[in-house]
Amino acid sequence: QQQVRQSPQSLTVWEGGTTVLTCSYEDSTFNYFPWYQQFPGEGPALLISILSVSDKKEDGRFTTFFNKREKKLSLHIIDSQPGDSATYFCAASARAEGADRLTFGKGTQLIIQP
Amino acid sequence: GGIITQTPKFLIGQEGQKLTLKCQQNFNHDTMYWYRQDSGKGLRLIYYSITENDLQKGDLSEGYDASREKKSSFSLTVTSAQKNEMAVFLCASSKVGLGVFYEQYFGPGTRLTVL
Repeated sequence: QQQVRQSPQSLTVWEGGTTVLTCSYEDSTFNYFPWYQQFPGEGPALLISILSVSDKKEDGRFTTFFNKREKKLSLHIIDSQPGDSATYFCAASARAEGADRLTFGKGTQLIIQP
Repeated sequence: GGIITQTPKFLIGQEGQKLTLKCQQNFNHDTMYWYRQDSGKGLRLIYYSITENDLQKGDLSEGYDASREKKSSFSLTVTSAQKNEMAVFLCASSKVGLGVFYEQYFGPGTRLTVL
C-alpha cells in the first residue's frame, strides 16, 4: 500500500521557468514532510521541510506548500536552473520512539533544459 | 559536519549467497537507518536502530538482518540474495529529539547486483 503518492514521475522544464512537484498522503498521523534532492551516484540530501502546523515554507528559490485538509503538499522551484536537474522525493514522517520513520514517494526525475 | 561512509560501493553476489553491507557515521548520531532504493519505487525502510545494540524492523525487513555493533556503525546482511532484490542500499543517520524533527543524512549507497 503506497502511503505517499508523488507526481509527476518525470518532468522537463525550461531554464528560468517554475517547476511544480506534488505529493499526497493518506495517513493523518503524518506531521513532518521533508523534500529530498538526489543527484546520480549520491545519496538523497534534505532540500526543505515543513511541519503540519504550517502551510508554507520558503528557502530561496524553493517553496513548499502544505494543505492539511486535502492531505497534499507541493514543491515549487522558481527560476529553475540546470543545476536543479535531479530526482526529488517527498516524504512523510510518523514519529516512532527514538526515530523518525520516513515514508517516501516514488520520486520525480526533473530535467531543466538550458 | 560529518560524513557517512558505506562499503562496498558495488557488491556482486550469487543467488542464495549471504552478503553484508557496512555503514559508518562520524556525526555522533544516535539513530541509524537502512533503506532500499529500487528504480522508480522510492526509498523503503528496512531496519533502524536508536542506540547501540538496538534493532527495529522497518517495512521491508524480511530477508535481511542488521547489527548495530557500536554507535558509529550499522551493518546490513542480505541473508539469501535473490535476483529481484538488485537495488541501491542507503544508510542514513540522524539526531532525534522529543518534539523535534531532525534531518536524516544519507550515505552514497551500495549498489547490489545478484547474478
